[in-house]
Amino acid sequence: DAGITQSPRHKVTETGTPVTLRCHQTENHRYMYWYRQDPGHGLRLIHYSYGVKDTDKGEVSDGYSVSRSKTEDFLLTLESATSSQTSVYFCAIRDLTSGSNEQYFGPGTRLTVT
Amino acid sequence: AQSVTQLGSHVSVSEGALVLLRCNYSSSVPPYLFWYVQYPNQGLQLLLKYTTGATLVKGINGFEAEFKKSETSFHLTKPSAHMSDAAEYFCAVTSIQGAQKLVFGQGTRLTINP
Repeated sequence: DAGITQSPRHKVTETGTPVTLRCHQTENHRYMYWYRQDPGHGLRLIHYSYGVKDTDKGEVSDGYSVSRSKTEDFLLTLESATSSQTSVYFCAIRDLTSGSNEQYFGPGTRLTVT
Repeated sequence: AQSVTQLGSHVSVSEGALVLLRCNYSSSVPPYLFWYVQYPNQGLQLLLKYTTGATLVKGINGFEAEFKKSETSFHLTKPSAHMSDAAEYFCAVTSIQGAQKLVFGQGTRLTINP
């Protein structure tokens, strides 16, 4: 258990509304990641962070923004949700102490955009 | 750029039979390779990893995988399937350096028949 929590765990929202998902970690890891999981696509990277206020885009970043104002929290925002953003969102941390730098995943947030 | 192909979106085996889940990767730099397992409505759990050194790696729950550079493969095996192995399995690749963004295959759903 890498001490990762995600909130909310489930959310239903309407098209066009803003949505913010939160990832919280308790172990002071520098790297944090947001992925989305869709059938047939596995997981795809949306954005990642390598430190406070340091973020970069991933493979599927369009329509998403992120912020990291403190080490423990990494926020993912959908400025104006669309039905194509219905997905399961996973946050991950990278454990630099492990040697192989493996990533550990949170429990996920299931988002439905109607 | 890196990519992962998992052959077979669904694999079905009988309890006690050999499990073989196939993963081929593409990477222009030396890769780190991972297998993750996802049980229904849960996050991803690391099964095993290859970084450097021994090409046959052992993981949790009796699974193992062999890194074959010449074949660009990292197939997952278990000698004898158990009902509790039913889950979705993901192969992932990342590079040794940099942000180590994981690139996932599309996943293979493993069904165990009694």
